[in-house]
Amino acid sequence: EAQVTQNPRYLITVTGKKLTVTCSQNMNHEYMSWYRQDPGLGLRQIYYSMNVEVTDKGDVPEGYKVSRKEKRNFPLILESPSPNQTSLYFCASSLFEGSRSGANVLTFGAGSRLTVL
Amino acid sequence: QKEVEQNSGPLSVPEGAIASLNCTYSDRVSQSFFWYRQYSGKSPELIMSIYSNGDKEDGRFTAQLNKASQYVSLLIRDSQPSDSATYLCAVNIRRGSTLGRLYFGRGTQLTVWP
Repeated sequence: EAQVTQNPRYLITVTGKKLTVTCSQNMNHEYMSWYRQDPGLGLRQIYYSMNVEVTDKGDVPEGYKVSRKEKRNFPLILESPSPNQTSLYFCASSLFEGSRSGANVLTFGAGSRLTVL
Repeated sequence: QKEVEQNSGPLSVPEGAIASLNCTYSDRVSQSFFWYRQYSGKSPELIMSIYSNGDKEDGRFTAQLNKASQYVSLLIRDSQPSDSATYLCAVNIRRGSTLGRLYFGRGTQLTVWP
């Protein structure tokens, strides 16, 4: 089954304790992206990647890191989490996104709900 | 102006009515437009994509695009309680590059009551 898998789905942690949210897709998609979703603010892009070793900042990258060493994986790293990073996080992937002919369709993971105390 | 704006809602319609969801965008040369549906606590799922001016119909859903007015809408005919969800408008927008990024509106919450 074609899917985007995120782990963990739920996590409660404390301020300053490094954590990684993993994301893996089995569709051979070039493009992968992380979003956070907060009430009243919609989906905001954190980081995205056009392909292996190619990453770029989205709209809210502060406090986050990413890496793309393999095509299928795109982990999100919070080096020193803070309470303002409490949110619902989504990983998504697509075939190459952003061409002149139109962006391709995003497939989303199930989401990871993170609480930082 | 935000890149993508949606009427904030919430929108409440009776079962069987037409629900109309609206979205405006800032980039005049955007070429790709999407509507995603998101049930509470779930991930967004694509329900419609549209690339050309005019209407595109898929079952009870119709997407309408007017590039001159920078406006895209979603009509849901014969609304059902199962259509109750948040609807996200997404637009591919270019920023100083030949490549674009997908921007989402904040979503409109729709409730269909029996």
